Amino acid sequence: AQRVTQPEKLLSVFKGAPVELKCNYSYSGSPELFWYVQYSRQRLQLLLRHISRESIKGFTADLNKGETSFHLKKPFAQEEDSAMYYCALRDFNKFYFGSGTKLNVKP
Amino acid sequence: EADIYQTPRYLVIGTGKKITLECSQTMGHDKMYWYQQDPGMELHLIHYSYGVNSTEKGDLSSESTVSRIRTEHFPLTLESARPSHTSQYLCASSEQGARTGELFFGEGSRLTVL
Repeated sequence: AQRVTQPEKLLSVFKGAPVELKCNYSYSGSPELFWYVQYSRQRLQLLLRHISRESIKGFTADLNKGETSFHLKKPFAQEEDSAMYYCALRDFNKFYFGSGTKLNVKP
Repeated sequence: EADIYQTPRYLVIGTGKKITLECSQTMGHDKMYWYQQDPGMELHLIHYSYGVNSTEKGDLSSESTVSRIRTEHFPLTLESARPSHTSQYLCASSEQGARTGELFFGEGSRLTVL
């Protein structure tokens, strides 16, 4: 069964500090992984996808198949990064989400 | 403007009532989904559709039903609401065959059953 685990419900950091939101998955195959974000009073939206190997708003995520992880990282957190972050795995046409990590960036 | 709309945003209703949560998208997407989310928990897929007249149950068992008579419309119905149905329901859509894998979400419908 496909599973996505986000072990941290809440992560608090100070502005300018590095941030890493953890995501681990279980999947029997080559996974397609994504990070979605939900800012306050906004809807859930795509942040980045692993196949694009892109950096969005300073965030990057590397797929580590050996550790079955897809951690989201940013070297210098900003207050506007405060939001809920969800890791997601796509299996054909279904998407499986983790329980989310609330990132709080303090001034 | 291309978007995905959900109504109502909030609904408080008594036990035993029939409710329908509406979801419409003007993005021309073939695939649509319903997720259920309790506070602090993951999103659970309860229904999905690949196109008109196509509906499938998701991995989380749900007493709700869905229909897909038109491409743009994917309503969810509970024939007899119960307090255990209290939750947030999120509708989403994506393009058929897209490798981007992007899901577009509505704003959600928060249901409270008393």
